[in-house]
This record gives sequence, structure tokens and C-alpha cells, in this order.
Amino acid sequence: DQQVKQNSPSLSVQEGRISILNCDYTNSMFDYFLWYKKYPAEGPTFLISISSIKDKNEDGRFTVFLNKSAKHLSLHIVPSQPGDSAVYFCAASGGAGAGSYQLTFGKGTKLSVIP
Amino acid sequence: GAGVSQSPSNKVTEKGKDVELRCDPISGHTALYWYRQSLGQGLEFLIYFQGNSAPDKSGLPSDRFSAERTGGSVSTLTIQRTQQEDSAVYLCASSRFRTEADYGYTFGSGTRLTVV
Repeated sequence: DQQVKQNSPSLSVQEGRISILNCDYTNSMFDYFLWYKKYPAEGPTFLISISSIKDKNEDGRFTVFLNKSAKHLSLHIVPSQPGDSAVYFCAASGGAGAGSYQLTFGKGTKLSVIP
Repeated sequence: GAGVSQSPSNKVTEKGKDVELRCDPISGHTALYWYRQSLGQGLEFLIYFQGNSAPDKSGLPSDRFSAERTGGSVSTLTIQRTQQEDSAVYLCASSRFRTEADYGYTFGSGTRLTVV
């Protein structure tokens, strides 16, 4: 049972345009959400996060939106650059107590930014 | 070192053999995690170490998997009697003790394990 779902395995976007990566979750106990970026042969790199008490967090070209009622979050990258081409993982953690530090990851979306 | 270091970067082993994967976390990071990524899958939690506390082993897929963390620093993940389904990239990460404000793990580059 996948608790974090990234339904688009891949996405292609023209350079300069907006990239929107989507993520859905099923566990209502999740209270912290993160996006990681991964280049080939490298480990994932933390990109941006959002707490469930917020609905938006912005960091430069990256913005994460959270819709708790829909159990949906999205990552917006604008403007997209060729160097953004990578696999993006959505992750979530939740609740207090044991297991709250575990991150549950989606399967990832491969973003290709076309020059 | 400056980052999380994992060795070896690649390992090919024969089915039935034992393997050891090593992780050297960032100095001062008290929390250490092992995840694995099988082909086409997301990252799967395996085990978590925090300081001197008993590790959370709830993600280990079978009793062939074990992990140690010596002196609160270096960790070794051991897979006994490897099977082909163990083939994956094994990722180690470390972080300061989790707070609400600081929750980004730092991952190593991983060990790609292939069981033939």
C-alpha cells in the first residue's frame, strides 16, 4: 500500500517555463512533507519542505504547495532550467513517537528541462 | 568529512554470499538512517540509529539483514546469504537529531548492490 504517490513517472518542460510536480498521500498522520532531488549516481539532495500548519513555502525558484483536505502537494519550479533535470522525490513523515522520523518516499518523477 | 561517505560504491556478489556495506556519517550527526531503492521504486526505510538508543529495525525486510553502528559513528549494513531480490541501491543518510526546523537528511551517494 503506497502511502505517498507520484503518479507521473516523467515530465518534460521547456526551459523558462514552469514545472509542476505532483504528489498525493493517504496517511492523515503525515505532518511534514519534503522534496528531494536526485541526479544519477548521486544520493538524493534535500530541496524544500513544508509543515502541515502551512499551505505554502517558497525558496527562490522553488515553491511547495500543500492542500491538506485533498492530501495533495505540489512542487513548482519557475523558471525551469536545464540543470533542474533530475528525479524528484516527494517524502512525508508524521505523527509523534516512534516512526515519526521515518520518511516515506514516493517513486519519483523524472523531470527533463529542454533547452 | 564534509558529507556522508559510503563504500563500496558498487558491489557485485554471487547469490548466497554475505556482503557488508559501510556508511560514514557527517561528524556530529547523531541520527543515521539506511534506505534502499529497488529498480522503479521509491526509497524504502530499513533502519534508524539515534545516539545510544536502541535502533529502530522495523524496516529490515528479513532476518538476513542486520546493521551496527559503532561508537555512534560508522555504520555497517550486513546482508547474509544474498538473494537476487536484494539487488538495489542502498543509501545511508545522517542528520542532527530531528527538530521541527531541521529535517533534511544528508544522503550519501549509495552502494549499488547487484546479486548475480
